[in-house]
Amino acid sequence: LAKTTQPISMDSYEGQEVNITCSHNNIATNDYITWYQQFPSQGPRFIIQGYKTKVTNEVASLFIPADRKSSTLSLPRVSLSDTAVYYCLVGDIGDSSYKLIFGSGTRLLVRP
Amino acid sequence: DVKVTQSSRYLVKRTGEKVFLECVQDMDHENMFWYRQDPGLGLRLIYFSYDVKMKEKGDIPEGYSVSREKKERFSLILESASTSQTSMYLCASGPNTEAFFGQGTRLTVV
Repeated sequence: LAKTTQPISMDSYEGQEVNITCSHNNIATNDYITWYQQFPSQGPRFIIQGYKTKVTNEVASLFIPADRKSSTLSLPRVSLSDTAVYYCLVGDIGDSSYKLIFGSGTRLLVRP
Repeated sequence: DVKVTQSSRYLVKRTGEKVFLECVQDMDHENMFWYRQDPGLGLRLIYFSYDVKMKEKGDIPEGYSVSREKKERFSLILESASTSQTSMYLCASGPNTEAFFGQGTRLTVV
């Protein structure tokens, strides 16, 4: 399983764009990059997934450079409600026995 | 909307009791997972199942067992509850990397 490394915590202010970078130097050819968000006292929630270049949905954008050894989750114009822990995972979506392993995540605090 | 339902939100059990935590999903997912989450230790995978009657150990299976007799239901069993198993337990289901989580069961063993 490819190991991921993320910052432990980040601070931001309302209205700013937040970029959280994840390193995954040992990513395999078939691996996808997936990000989850977790609010206190709730289970994690899938937010975005990608393989290369850029993926965008209504919540976030995911930027993946050509070498795929890192990825950046971008949250546009954050609000207080974006305060949460963000997890980066790497795995083969075609592997039926894939173990969904979470790392420590990045604790994002959005201030007024 | 996908629904993953855990049988209890809060549970208090005595040391030595056999405890069953139930999880049901309504999306015909093959993969189901059980985690525990503790402050400072993050989410740790206990067991997962990728098909009926199939199970694989996660990172911390000791003291736990699981049962998957039907596709929609994945049960976590604490054979003899101990105070060290006081934790938030989270169930998830989904097609491999895109999983949906239940609301969690906060188990206290006294």
